[in-house]
Amino acid sequence: AQKVTQAQTEISVVEKEDVTLDCVYETRDTTYYLFWYKQPPSGELVFLIRRNSFDEQNEISGRYSWNFQKSTSSFNFTITASQVVDSAVYFCALSDQTGANNLFFGTGTRLTVIP
Amino acid sequence: DAGVIQSPRHEVTEMGQEVTLRCKPISGHDYLFWYRQTMMRGLELLIYFNNNVPIDDSGMPEDRFSAKMPNASFSTLKIQPSEPRDSAVYFCASSSVGVPGNTIYFGEGSWLTVV
Repeated sequence: AQKVTQAQTEISVVEKEDVTLDCVYETRDTTYYLFWYKQPPSGELVFLIRRNSFDEQNEISGRYSWNFQKSTSSFNFTITASQVVDSAVYFCALSDQTGANNLFFGTGTRLTVIP
Repeated sequence: DAGVIQSPRHEVTEMGQEVTLRCKPISGHDYLFWYRQTMMRGLELLIYFNNNVPIDDSGMPEDRFSAKMPNASFSTLKIQPSEPRDSAVYFCASSSVGVPGNTIYFGEGSWLTVV
């Protein structure tokens, strides 16, 4: 069965600190995809990144970076030099062959960046 | 390009009333999804359509819920009669091909409160 675990319920950091959000997933499929979404206080879900199971290269986009490690079934998300605008709930999600067209979401991590 | 458009953004209704939520997917997207977000259950898939045809409605909680997609640019999610436990954020989303593999883009959500 598919499962996404975000063990950190809430994190608070001071502005300009770096922060890492953890994501651990479970799937029996060899082909799967991992996603991160951001939900700011306004409520919408904003797509951040997609990764497939065959590409373990880390990715960097501005202050955001993602570390995918199949050996530990983790797909962690790091924000460098955090800003107040980064305050949001961040969701990690998984889709795989068995789950067909479903995205399985973790429970989210609420990040608060204190000015 | 316009994203997924949902209406209403907020709705407060009395128990027993009919609620209709509306969605316009991104133009050219063949897949449309309805998700529900609650504190207890997080984000869960209710139903999805491919080319206007319902493919999987196993997530629809009960017969009070129904969804239609009369054409490629419009879908509705109806709750009749509504109950307080239906209070949640309902997200519509679309993608150009089926997950796994492709990104699902979400609307801003419809925040439903049933009193």
